[in-house]
Amino acid sequence: AQSVAQPEDQVNVAEGNPLTVKCTYSVSGNPYLFWYVQYPNRGLQFLLKYITGDNLVKGSYGFEAEFNKSQTSFHLKKPSALVSDSALYFCAVTPPAGGFKTIFGAGTRLFVKA
Amino acid sequence: GAVVSQHPSWVICKSGTSVKIECRSLDFQATTMFWYRQFPKQSLMLMATSNEGSKATYEQGVEKDKFLINHASLTLSTLTVTSAHPEDSSFYICSAPDRDFTDTQYFGPGTRLTVL
Repeated sequence: AQSVAQPEDQVNVAEGNPLTVKCTYSVSGNPYLFWYVQYPNRGLQFLLKYITGDNLVKGSYGFEAEFNKSQTSFHLKKPSALVSDSALYFCAVTPPAGGFKTIFGAGTRLFVKA
Repeated sequence: GAVVSQHPSWVICKSGTSVKIECRSLDFQATTMFWYRQFPKQSLMLMATSNEGSKATYEQGVEKDKFLINHASLTLSTLTVTSAHPEDSSFYICSAPDRDFTDTQYFGPGTRLTVL
């Protein structure tokens, strides 16, 4: 079965420190990979995506993600965390076949402490 | 980026009544929209794919007679929760994919439904 795993329910980091939110996937073929962020009682906002090309993708708000095909991972990173980055982050995968439905990970809550 | 709106943002209703939620793509046409349900502290669960001009495609386990979906135009999809019960209380989110579905999805802000 196709799936997306976010192994950490929560990530805590101090403001100014680098952050990493992990994501691995199990999808056949070459999927499209996304990160979305959700603030309380809001819909999801697009952060970045990987379709093809350079493995390091840069997105909104200073976030970036690194695609690793051999490890089937797409970890989200930021060099210096801000308190305002505290939110719920979802990794998502759209398989290249099968109706283009997006599969979401369970989400990782990021807490950035001042 | 593209904008998707939802209305209402929150609704409280009595058990047994029906509630309609609208999802609109404001600056682009969407032949397909997706409806999700999100439980507290959980991920999004795809309920159905709304197709303009044809019947919606429901995911396994989702009651099509309870969650009626109508995609009347290229910019509007509606989800009607019929005969609502307290267990239907949830956060409902719609999304519309950009262009050829392999690209970014644009999400509505969500609708919080509380059934008393």
